[in-house]
Amino acid sequence: GAVVSQHPSWVICKSGTSVKIECRSLDFQATTMFWYRQFPKQSLMLMATSNEGSKATYEQGVEKDKFLINHASLTLSTLTVTSAHPEDSSFYICSARDGRQYQETQYFGPGTRLLVL
Amino acid sequence: QKEVEQNSGPLSVPEGAIASLNCTYSDRVSQSFFWYRQYSGKSPELIMSIYSNGDKEDGRFTAQLNKASQYVSLLIRDSQPSDSATYLCAVREGYKAAGNKLTFGGGTRVLVKP
Repeated sequence: GAVVSQHPSWVICKSGTSVKIECRSLDFQATTMFWYRQFPKQSLMLMATSNEGSKATYEQGVEKDKFLINHASLTLSTLTVTSAHPEDSSFYICSARDGRQYQETQYFGPGTRLLVL
Repeated sequence: QKEVEQNSGPLSVPEGAIASLNCTYSDRVSQSFFWYRQYSGKSPELIMSIYSNGDKEDGRFTAQLNKASQYVSLLIRDSQPSDSATYLCAVREGYKAAGNKLTFGGGTRVLVKP
C-alpha cells in the first residue's frame, strides 16, 4: 500500500522559533500533497495544497507567510511554522495523493504534534 | 460553501452488533467519497472509497452511496472493541480545478462495548 511518513512525530519548541515538518511519500510519487491541522476534539482543517514545483495554494484564513510550504520533489513536501506561538500548538498532518490510483486516493502521514511553550 | 455533515455521536454499539454511520454532503457534483478511521491521537487511515451508487463491501465494512439523496453510509458488521474510533466521511470536490481537495465531516465517534 501507499505509505506516507512525517518527521518529526513530536516537537516542543519555545515561542518565537521556527519549526520544519517533513512529509514524504515512500513508495509512490505524489504530485500533490496536502497539509492539515487538527485541534483537540475537532475535525481536520485543510491548510494548503502543495503541488510539486509550484507555489502552494492556501485555504482562506491561513497565513502563507507564517506557514511556509515547499514541495521540492515528487516525494517530499515541507511545512515550516515560522515564529511559532502557543496558539500554533496543534496536530499537523500531511497527506499525499497517489496519482496512480483511480480517483487519486489520499493517504495520510502519521502526523506531527507541535507544542509551543 | 461545500459541507459534509455527520452525527458526532458517540454511537455506542455492543460487541458483535452492526454499527451504522451516516454522512450527507451538499455538493451535488461530488464524485468520490471516502471513509477514514481515526484512533485517538493518531492520523486518519483509509477504510473505504466509493464512487458509484450502491453498495461496496470490504471485509466487515460496507459503504453505501446514494448520489440522488446525497448521502453515503458505512456499516461495520460484527463490531469489535478495536473498532472504537472516530470515523470521518470525506468528499472530494467534483471538478479537477478544485485541486482534488477533500472536504471532511466532523466525524462520528464509535464506542464498541464488550
